[in-house]
Amino acid sequence: EAGVAQSPRYKIIEKRQSVAFWCNPISGHATLYWYQQILGQGPKLLIQFQNNGVVDDSQLPKDRFSAERLKGVDSTLKIQPAKLEDSAVYLCASSLGTPGRQFFGPGTRLTVL
Amino acid sequence: AQTVTQSQPEMSVQEAETVTLSCTYDTSESNYYLFWYKQPPSRQMILVIRQEAYKQQNATENRFSVNFQKAAKSFSLKISDSQLGDTAMYFCAFSIPETSGSRLTFGEGTQLTVNP
Repeated sequence: EAGVAQSPRYKIIEKRQSVAFWCNPISGHATLYWYQQILGQGPKLLIQFQNNGVVDDSQLPKDRFSAERLKGVDSTLKIQPAKLEDSAVYLCASSLGTPGRQFFGPGTRLTVL
Repeated sequence: AQTVTQSQPEMSVQEAETVTLSCTYDTSESNYYLFWYKQPPSRQMILVIRQEAYKQQNATENRFSVNFQKAAKSFSLKISDSQLGDTAMYFCAFSIPETSGSRLTFGEGTQLTVNP
């Protein structure tokens, strides 16, 4: 069974630039999550999708972050414009629905200079 | 507020020995799930063990077991016969299905190093 795929693995940008991350969940997983993990901290949920609908985006900084999950499969997370404090690892996870049983991708490490 | 606290930022253990990682949490909900996730240096987060709050029996998975004390809101992870491959960051987390779906709330993590 293929795992959760994410790209790119690493990204370096200047502040005020834009960046986008892509996630392909495990086939058949209806629930998709984006987490932000700042160095030395635990992951923090940014947004949760159920199929192509948003379930929870209460912690997403909507003035600069956006996410979509067209057709209920792949998802993209965008930051525009980026700030220094956005430097972090962005993790994508997917789930069949078992509470808390999530499968994580390798993450994208973003560095904002 | 729902919070998870891991008071040990770093721990080390000798290979083949036993180590216990601590976790406390705070919630007013009665139905929830607790987890330990492992994040090796490659960064792929992996589920280690899962505990339903309504079950009194502590969960075990091979060399991994938990000590779940519901009244004390404590959920520690014991790793027996530690192996070099157990070196990783360990995160305690919980999920409250009724109020927050299947989202996970994580602690700050404990970096475990297994020494040869």
